[in-house]
Amino acid sequence: NAGVTQTPKFQVLKTGQSMTLQCAQDMNHEYMSWYRQDPGMGLRLIHYSVGAGITDQGEVPNGYNVSRSTTEDFPLRLLSAAPSQTSVYFCASRPDTWNTEAFFGQGTRLTVV
Amino acid sequence: TQLLEQSPQFLSIQEGENLTVYCNSSSVFSSLQWYRQEPGEGPVLLVTVVTGGEVKKLKRLTFQFGDARKDSSLHITAAQPGDTGLYLCAGASTGTASKLTFGTGTRLQVTL
Repeated sequence: NAGVTQTPKFQVLKTGQSMTLQCAQDMNHEYMSWYRQDPGMGLRLIHYSVGAGITDQGEVPNGYNVSRSTTEDFPLRLLSAAPSQTSVYFCASRPDTWNTEAFFGQGTRLTVV
Repeated sequence: TQLLEQSPQFLSIQEGENLTVYCNSSSVFSSLQWYRQEPGEGPVLLVTVVTGGEVKKLKRLTFQFGDARKDSSLHITAAQPGDTGLYLCAGASTGTASKLTFGTGTRLQVTL
């Protein structure tokens, strides 16, 4: 059972480039989310989805887009990378929205130069 | 934005010592979770507390949810090197339970 799979694990981008971080889960979870982790700031919510076709913004959505066409996949798109987006990105899924455990992928370490 | 502040930010102790990590907010949460994260990995759930005043124990770890459901604490008794890691609290909001807000994190190092 793979759980939550993120690709790639590492990525270096030049300022202005675009890319998509992939996230897939095989647990049939309705709720998925993207976080970024920076030193001393814990995890900050970028975007989340409560089901296929439904997405909403978190705390730090600017510069990122998401879509949820299937239950399994929740890609995160960086439209025009900036050095401020250098971070470690985590995708998480939960079986429903009420007091349940979040399962995380292993993260994507992104550096924008 | 609901803020969860954790203290201390860093903690370096010797094996066998006791410690407490605090997670505080001005907002009320429907539940509070604690996660531990190892280097290069995603966070993994330790416990969920739901009721104000609730205390849960997980071996040497004791978790408490504040009576007003705004704060929580994690107490570790007789810390071991295997307890080393980043500890994160996360609150589920009362209004929109679909969002988990994470704390700022406490990095714990336990040495021999």
